[in-house]
Formats: sequence, structure tokens, C-alpha cells
Amino acid sequence: DVKVTQSSRYLVKRTGEKVFLECVQDMDHENMFWYRQDPGLGLRLIYFSYDVKMKEKGDIPEGYSVSREKKERFSLILESASTNQTSMYLCASSSTGPPQYFGPGTRLTVT
Amino acid sequence: DQQVKQNSPSLSVQEGRISILNCDYTNSMFDYFLWYKKYPAEGPTFLISISSIKDKNEDGRFTVFLNKSAKHLSLHIVPSQPGDSAVYFCAAPSEGGSEKLVFGKGTKLTVNP
Repeated sequence: DVKVTQSSRYLVKRTGEKVFLECVQDMDHENMFWYRQDPGLGLRLIYFSYDVKMKEKGDIPEGYSVSREKKERFSLILESASTNQTSMYLCASSSTGPPQYFGPGTRLTVT
Repeated sequence: DQQVKQNSPSLSVQEGRISILNCDYTNSMFDYFLWYKKYPAEGPTFLISISSIKDKNEDGRFTVFLNKSAKHLSLHIVPSQPGDSAVYFCAAPSEGGSEKLVFGKGTKLTVNP
């Protein structure tokens, strides 16, 4: 059974905190993605990675950075969390091309 | 400007009937379209796709139709089952590459027993 797992289902952080969202896939996929989902806006791509240490900006990278030190792990970093980053964050992976499998999501609240 | 539009936020149908979910797009350069299904508290799952060289793709109860001249695609579910109740997103790869999808806002389908 293929799996994309995310470290937390729910997270509450304060404004200005550094936040790490972790994602792990067990399918040896090359591509990994971070999306955020907001009501009325659908899913928007933040960053994706096509190989270890390789990354590309998505549509809304501002305020975020990513890290991929190992093939199976892709981290999303909020350097200084702000209230407008309160959202559902979804990680995904694929062997090639667009995302095939998504994780269950992390609902982040920044207060 | 939204490149992929799902104008119906919700749809309700009876079990056994056909569900038709619609999606419009603005960029005629899109050459590939995908549908994802999302249950509450879970991530989306890939459902079905269609290449622009086709006008129909079928997978069991799910069929996607593409009308390039109208820049319109639709997902048909026949017969609809209560387990199909979910949010459905259509998506297309942007000009940034096949990995970079643009998503519609989603349509919430409810299939009533």
C-alpha cells in the first residue's frame, strides 16, 4: 500500500515562529510537492522537488522554503510564520509528471 | 486570473443516477487534464486523466469528455454511488511544466441513498 505521510495532522503556532512541516513517501518517487488548500481557492503549488537537493518554485513560494536532503523526505519551512499562512498543507509525490499520491494534510493555524 | 474553473461548488444526485461534474479552462495550450477526488480528512487521489488528442477516456464508472473547441471537460459517473460523495478537482499542467498543475476550486458531490 503506497503511502505519503505527513508529520502532523494539526499544528498551532504563533506569529513569528519557525515552522517545519515534514513529508515522507515510501514509493521511491522522484517528484515531491507541497500545496496549500484554502476555501474558495483550490490547491496551489508552493514548491516542488524533482530530485534530492533540487527544487523549483511553484505559484506561491513567498514566505516558504523547502529542503530535500533525502529522496523520501521533503520538508516545508515557514521561516517566520504569519497569520495569512493559516491553511491546509498537502504533500504529494509522483514517479514522474504531476502528483499521483497525496498525504492526508496538515492543518496549520498561526495565531 | 483563474485558468481552470469549476463553476458549481456543489452537486447533489440520487444513487444510481448520473453525476456530471463540469470544468472550463481558458488556456488553449493545455494538452492534458486530470481529475482528483478528495474525501474529508484525506488528501486528494488521482482519479482519471485525458490527453487533448482524445475526446473521451473511460475507466469503469468514470468517463471524462473533452470538448476542445468549447474549452470544456466533464466527468461523468454512472451509476453514482454514496461512496462517490467527495470533492472533485479538475486540473491541468501549466506552462511551467507537467509537474505544475493548476487546479479548479472543486465541486462537492453528494450522492444520496
